[in-house]
Amino acid sequence: GAGVSQSPSNKVTEKGKDVELRCDPISGHTALYWYRQSLGQGLEFLIYFQGNSAPDKSGLPSDRFSAERTGGSVSTLTIQRTQQEDSAVYLCASSLTQDPSRGYTFGSGTRLTVV
Amino acid sequence: GQQLNQSPQSMFIQEGEDVSMNCTSSSIFNTWLWYKQDPGEGPVLLIALYKAGELTSNGRLTAQFGTTRKDSFLNISASIPSDVGIYFCAGQTTDSWGKLQFGAGTQVVVTP
Repeated sequence: GAGVSQSPSNKVTEKGKDVELRCDPISGHTALYWYRQSLGQGLEFLIYFQGNSAPDKSGLPSDRFSAERTGGSVSTLTIQRTQQEDSAVYLCASSLTQDPSRGYTFGSGTRLTVV
Repeated sequence: GQQLNQSPQSMFIQEGEDVSMNCTSSSIFNTWLWYKQDPGEGPVLLIALYKAGELTSNGRLTAQFGTTRKDSFLNISASIPSDVGIYFCAGQTTDSWGKLQFGAGTQVVVTP
């Protein structure tokens, strides 16, 4: 597509439930990133995928968080047993190369609210 | 953890004024980027800097890569209402290849 697409745009879930967030990157972009933006905070790196290489999961805050990227395209971020502190905007970005200095293209994000 | 210190946290300015914000770090960065985020949207890249001392402009925006490689600033000249938003600095260190670190953002509000 023309841009990075994320769905849903908003998600309200009950504490303890699992959620899945989806990201469709720009066609042909080999690198895909997930960031989390809490209220009034900067963007916190979660995970990135580059081609067929093993993903860099160093930013995942706990083992309740996991992500997959199928076929080198669509990615799903899964949060199990959600907690209130998981409430944030989850941003996905993609780039043509692994070099982020050339700029990511971000999606509009999924606003997750855990009640 | 957060390595970038961005200031100010927020700015309330009048239309036509100039704006200046900066980012500092204790780490050396090999790339500095500046993004703008509008409400309900993802950040959009404004300017990218790749060399110490580099000064780059994009319209009314000017950014510089500090000579120590530990800081950067962004200036907006003659602000207009559409400059409203959150501005983020971001950078890549030599030991964080593949991912960017972001500052906490500067909220800019422009009043007529």
